[in-house]
Order: sequence, then structure tokens, then C-alpha cells
Amino acid sequence: QIQLVQSGPELKKPGETVKISCKASGYTFTNYGMNWVKQAPGKGLKWMGWINTYTGEPTYADDFKGRFAFSLETSASTAYLQINNLKNEDTATYFCARDTTVVGGYMDYWGQGTSVTVSS
Amino acid sequence: ETTVTQSPASLSVATGEKVTIRCITSTDIDDDMNWYQQKPGEPPKLLISEGNTLRPGVPSRFSSSGYGTDFVFTIENTLSEDVADYYCLQSDNMPLTFGGGTKLEIK
Repeated sequence: QIQLVQSGPELKKPGETVKISCKASGYTFTNYGMNWVKQAPGKGLKWMGWINTYTGEPTYADDFKGRFAFSLETSASTAYLQINNLKNEDTATYFCARDTTVVGGYMDYWGQGTSVTVSS
Repeated sequence: ETTVTQSPASLSVATGEKVTIRCITSTDIDDDMNWYQQKPGEPPKLLISEGNTLRPGVPSRFSSSGYGTDFVFTIENTLSEDVADYYCLQSDNMPLTFGGGTKLEIK
């Protein structure tokens, strides 16, 4: 069955870096893109962008350009989200979500979410 | 960027009643609207995808309609297990944009 398993919760200080992993199984990793979605505490869902798992090309929503980076380890069917120079407002749960195509569509399967807390 | 306005923000219904949630988009998105359910502490679950297509395994009491800029999500005969947040997502163009969410409670 299709599964996306994310890494565990993180507690970081402002200015630090965090890297979240999302390991996929049950399908051919490079046939479907991977999206990243942010959910701040008590808030709604916000699309951060996605990465073409075939070419490795990332696309970022405007609010997530600069400190955010999507990457892949294709041999391990794993996608990564790295956030640099963490700020308090980065405190949120981050979800990876499989795209329905390799060129960008909507999300069908989701990871369980990774909680990131940024606090001094 | 396509803005998605979702209403209401919350609603409370008795079991067996009908629930209606609306999403209006700022641009014409054809039928590229999707609907998700998120229960507390869980990731979102895709219920209905583009073209008002009910996903496999999703109960038929969930449905949607709409085309262009005006979309409606419906739950017939609401059950207590339907307590959740519901979100619409437009997938016609990037950036993908979600509605603000609707919190469904049972009276």
C-alpha cells in the first residue's frame, strides 16, 4: 500500500536549520511529484511548493522562496524539506503529500506530518 | 494567484442533517477543485478530486458540484464520525491554493 512516512518532531532555536524527511513506499517514486504543505498551530493549510521527482526541479510558492529547499534522494525514495535560519513563525506541522502526476496536479496521499517548534 | 474563499468558517449540525460548504474562486478554474477532510491530529484525507470525482472508498454521502468559480461540497445524513475540518483546494494553476477551512461540529 502507498505510504509516506515522515521524520519525527523537531525542537529548534531561532537561526538554526531543520531538515525533514519523507520516505515513500508502495509506488514508483519518480512517477509522481511531491508537495509540501504547512499548517501553523490552529490554522489552515498552506501549499509551500512541490518537487518534480523525475527531474529534481523544485517550485516554491512566493512565501517560501529563499530559506526553504526541497531535495530528493531518489535511490531511497525520499524527499526532504530543509528550512534555514529558522524563525518563530516557522513553528508548524509540515506535511509531504504525493502529487497525482509528475508534472504537478493535486495531492492524494499524505505523510503523517512533522511538528517543528522554534523557540529560544 | 487564485484566491479561494470558503464559507462558512464553522457550522454545527445534528446527526442526519445535511451539510453544505461553499468555495468561490477569484479566477475560472474549470472543475479543478478538490475537497479534503482533516480530523484532529491527522493529515488531510482526499475525499473528492477534480471533476467532482468521489475517491475510492469514500462514502457516497459525500458529494460536490460546481464549475468555473462556484463550488459546493455536501454531506448528506451527517454522522458523528464526520466531525472534522474540511478544506477545498484549487489545482488549476500554481500556486495551489486552499480555502480557509470549515470546522464541522455535531450538536
